[in-house]
Amino acid sequence: EAQVTQNPRYLITVTGKKLTVTCSQNMNHEYMSWYRQDPGLGLRQIYYSMNVEVTDKGDVPEGYKVSRKEKRNFPLILESPSPNQTSLYFCASSLDVSNEQFFGPGTRLTVL
Amino acid sequence: GENVEQHPSTLSVQEGDSAVIKCTYSDSASNYFPWYKQELGKRPQLIIDIRSNVGEKKDQRIAVTLNKTAKHFSLHITETQPEDSAVYFCAAEEVGSQGNLIFGKGTKLSVKP
Repeated sequence: EAQVTQNPRYLITVTGKKLTVTCSQNMNHEYMSWYRQDPGLGLRQIYYSMNVEVTDKGDVPEGYKVSRKEKRNFPLILESPSPNQTSLYFCASSLDVSNEQFFGPGTRLTVL
Repeated sequence: GENVEQHPSTLSVQEGDSAVIKCTYSDSASNYFPWYKQELGKRPQLIIDIRSNVGEKKDQRIAVTLNKTAKHFSLHITETQPEDSAVYFCAAEEVGSQGNLIFGKGTKLSVKP
């Protein structure tokens, strides 16, 4: 089954404790992206990757890191989480930015 | 960079009526405009998209129109049904970045039976 998976689905953590949210797709897509969703602000792009070893900043990259060492995986790293990073995070993948993006199930992160 | 404005933020219609959601964009070079539907507690899913070489696209009860001169595009849902209730997001590709998709803030559509 073609899908995008994210883990964990829910996470409560404390300020400053490094965490990683994993994202994996099995559709051989070159393009992958991370979004955060906050009430009233819609979906805002954090980082995206056009291909392996190619990543670039989206609209709200501050406080986040990503890596794309393999085509299928695109982890989101929060080196020192802060309460303003409490949000719902979605990973997505597609053939390229001008095609349908398939979203993962979301990760709800709370930073205390 | 690209800026996408979406209106209205909430929309309530009676079952069977039509619903229209409008978006404007700022980058005249943008050429890809998708619409996503997000049901409560679910992930966004593409419902229709349009590219700049066409002015209108239809898929059953859903249609999207694009006016490149005015830099706006609209989602039209006819004969609305309760299952159309969701949050709808428009988006536009930021051409300069070659990878950035800018979303509108969303429209919460409620269809009353």
